[in-house]
Amino acid sequence: EDQVTQSPEALRLQEGESSSLNCSYTVSGLRGLFWYRQDPGKGPEFLFTLYSAGEEKEKERLKATLTKKESFLHITAPKPEDSATYLCAVQARGAGGTSYGKLTFGQGTILTVHP
Amino acid sequence: NAGVTQTPKFRILKIGQSMTLQCAQDMNHNYMYWYRQDPGMGLKLIYYSVGAGITDKGEVPNGYNVSRSTTEDFPLRLELAAPSQTSVYFCASIAGTEYNEQFFGPGTRLTVL
Repeated sequence: EDQVTQSPEALRLQEGESSSLNCSYTVSGLRGLFWYRQDPGKGPEFLFTLYSAGEEKEKERLKATLTKKESFLHITAPKPEDSATYLCAVQARGAGGTSYGKLTFGQGTILTVHP
Repeated sequence: NAGVTQTPKFRILKIGQSMTLQCAQDMNHNYMYWYRQDPGMGLKLIYYSVGAGITDKGEVPNGYNVSRSTTEDFPLRLELAAPSQTSVYFCASIAGTEYNEQFFGPGTRLTVL
């Protein structure tokens, strides 16, 4: 069974204080690892997809990295508008090479950035 | 494009009542999904569809039913509402291949009393 565990559950930062969120996973053949941002009362918004160990992707103050067992979302000099819940999800290769796009999500990390 | 739309935004049901959560997308996406999200928990897959007329169960399908008669619409049916079905429900779809990212709707907050 595919599993995703995110840590910490909640993270409070001061504006400008860089940090990292962790996503540990076990999956029967990783097809892709996805990061989403979710604001209160809204649906998740796509950030990144990582496909293989060693891959990195950046978007503004966010950088996602991937190893064979975990992914990190690094937040550099965060601003209050970066406050949100960050979700990690994995897509397995599945039997026959397809999982029909299904994702297994972690429980999320609630990030609060204080001015 | 309106993206993925969901109605209603909020709903309160009594135990034993039935309702249908609507989901529609105008992007001609084949792959569509229904998730539920409980506080402090990640999204759990209820049902999914790979195209019109084709649906399959996800991780937590009990108490729900779906249909996919058109590419655009993917309604989720609750037949006998129970308090355990109190949750926020999200619909999502994928553009292009199944390996692409999912686009999510705004969600429906359902309370069963």
